[in-house]
Amino acid sequence: AQKITQTQPGMFVQEKEAVTLDCTYDTSDPSYGLFWYKQPSSGEMIFLIYQGSYDQQNATEGRYSLNFQKARKSANLVISASQLGDSAMYFCAMRGRNTDKLIFGTGTRLQVFP
Amino acid sequence: ETGVTQSPTHLIKTRGQQVTLRCSSQSGHNTVSWYQQALGQGPQFIFQYYREEENGRGNFPPRFSGLQFPNYSSELNVNALELDDSALYLCASSLGLAGSAPKETQYFGPGTRLLVL
Repeated sequence: AQKITQTQPGMFVQEKEAVTLDCTYDTSDPSYGLFWYKQPSSGEMIFLIYQGSYDQQNATEGRYSLNFQKARKSANLVISASQLGDSAMYFCAMRGRNTDKLIFGTGTRLQVFP
Repeated sequence: ETGVTQSPTHLIKTRGQQVTLRCSSQSGHNTVSWYQQALGQGPQFIFQYYREEENGRGNFPPRFSGLQFPNYSSELNVNALELDDSALYLCASSLGLAGSAPKETQYFGPGTRLLVL
């Protein structure tokens, strides 16, 4: 069975600093994808970044980067130069090759302070 | 914005009633997935529709049903509402290209908040 674990219920970071949100996963699929979504208080899940299991390089999208360590089954999200607008819930999710659904973790609430 | 829209934004029902939630997918997307997000939890997969056919289902009872229309919009129907059905219901659309999984990204709408009293 596939599982996503996010062990940080909440994180605080000062504006302009970098922060790492942890995500570990478990799957027996040889091919899978890992996703990070941001959910502001409005509720919409906003796609941030994708990492494929066979990708040789860590994914980057602007201020977001994914620290992918396949042997450790971890896919941590790094947000550089935090902004007040980054305050939200962040969810790590996974999808296997033979499944159509996303499996989500329980999320991490990030609060950015001035 | 993703271009995925959902209606209504909020809904209050009483136990035993039935509810229909609606979703319009992003232009060009032929796949719609529905998720239930209880307070303080991550979203849980309900089911997915691809070209008007159910294409996978999560661990939800048959009183959760759905439809997808020729324009790829979708409905989620819940019969005999229970208090535990109170949640945020999220719809996500994706392109559904054969063989594209697991890379295929799902884009979410703003959700419908359902409260069952």
